[in-house]
Amino acid sequence: SQKIEQNSEALNIQEGKTATLTCNYTNYSPAYLQWYRQDPGRGPVFLLLIRENEKEKRKERLKVTFDTTLKQSLFHITASQPADSATYLCAVTGGGNKLTFGTGTQLKVEL
Amino acid sequence: SAVISQKPSRDICQRGTSLTIQCQVDSQVTMMFWYRQQPGQSLTLIATANQGSEATYESGFVIDKFPISRPNLTFSTLTVSNMSPEDSSIYLCSLGTSGVQETQYFGPGTRLLVL
Repeated sequence: SQKIEQNSEALNIQEGKTATLTCNYTNYSPAYLQWYRQDPGRGPVFLLLIRENEKEKRKERLKVTFDTTLKQSLFHITASQPADSATYLCAVTGGGNKLTFGTGTQLKVEL
Repeated sequence: SAVISQKPSRDICQRGTSLTIQCQVDSQVTMMFWYRQQPGQSLTLIATANQGSEATYESGFVIDKFPISRPNLTFSTLTVSNMSPEDSSIYLCSLGTSGVQETQYFGPGTRLLVL
């Protein structure tokens, strides 16, 4: 069956360090993969989209990689700040061209 | 980018009752969708709200339980009918650029608790 797996354990890091979140998927061959940020009590906010023919995408302090062989995407936040604390969701296109979300990883950036 | 609002932002309801959630967008959009996010779970697509025609429901969701209206290109409603505690969830409307597989822009959500 199709699965999207994100680390369910919260990731705690110190301010200024690089946060790396992982998204693994099985039984998908997505044309692209997306990352969203969700704050408590709010709807998810789109951050980045990476296509299958792109290895890496950057936006300010954010970097996403997409390895279709490993079926994995890594999401990096460099020079992390307490304001980056949130839950980060990855999403892939699945069967029927639906967008399917992972359960998200909670990131806590501490002073 | 479009501004999306939802009403109510939260509600506490008794089992067996129904709640209608409104989604308003400040500009005309073609694609609107409704999602559910149960506690500790990810987002699950309920249906695509089609303007001027019946909504398209995903597997596991039926019109009798989740009737949807889309009277125009800026507004949609989702009704959660005959509620049970299992319906306690966050309900989110979203806009898509051109399809359900495309980037989604979400409203703030409606947090529903059914007692």
